Amino acid sequence: KQEVTQIPAALSVPEGENLVLNCSFTDSAIYNLQWFRQDPGKGLTSLLLIQSSQREQTSGRLNASLDKSSGRSTLYIAASQPGDSATYLCAIEHSGGGADGLTFGKGTHLIIQP
Amino acid sequence: DGGITQSPKYLFRKEGQNVTLSCEQNLNHDAMYWYRQDPGQGLRLIYYSQIVNDFQKGDIAEGYSVSREKKESFPLTVTSAQKNPTAFYLCASRPRRGYNEQFFGPGTRLTVL
Repeated sequence: KQEVTQIPAALSVPEGENLVLNCSFTDSAIYNLQWFRQDPGKGLTSLLLIQSSQREQTSGRLNASLDKSSGRSTLYIAASQPGDSATYLCAIEHSGGGADGLTFGKGTHLIIQP
Repeated sequence: DGGITQSPKYLFRKEGQNVTLSCEQNLNHDAMYWYRQDPGQGLRLIYYSQIVNDFQKGDIAEGYSVSREKKESFPLTVTSAQKNPTAFYLCASRPRRGYNEQFFGPGTRLTVL
């Protein structure tokens, strides 16, 4: 069964720093990996989707990479801002049969200090 | 505006009652999903539907039921058989299974009194 782990569970950094969030998964049979942002009490906002055949995706100050062979993905946030404070979730869509839907990590709670 | 709506935002239930959470989308998506989120936890899949009049159990379907009579709507009923229903419930949709991202609604917070 696919398991998704996110490290660290929480992170607090000063404004302006570049930072990396990590996601690891146990089964490389995936369709894609998706990074989400969740603000307190809100739904999820999709940030980046990486297909299984891709190595990375970029959107503004965000860059996500995927290494299927090692079961790892990273989300790089450049020049962090207080508005980036949120919980970041990594999710995998498994391609090995079975139920549709995403398998989520528990998230990284990020605080950017002004 | 295109998107996914969930109602109500907050819901309170007495023990022994069934309650129904609404999820509507106007994105013309075939696939719809229900997830449950508990504090400090990732989301877990309850039910999903890839097409009208068809739905499948996810990882934690016990105590829940769904219907998919219209493409736009995928309501979730939390029955009295669900032992610990207090949680944040999120609905999602996407064009089809495979290479598409999922889009999420704003969620419903259910509390059992």
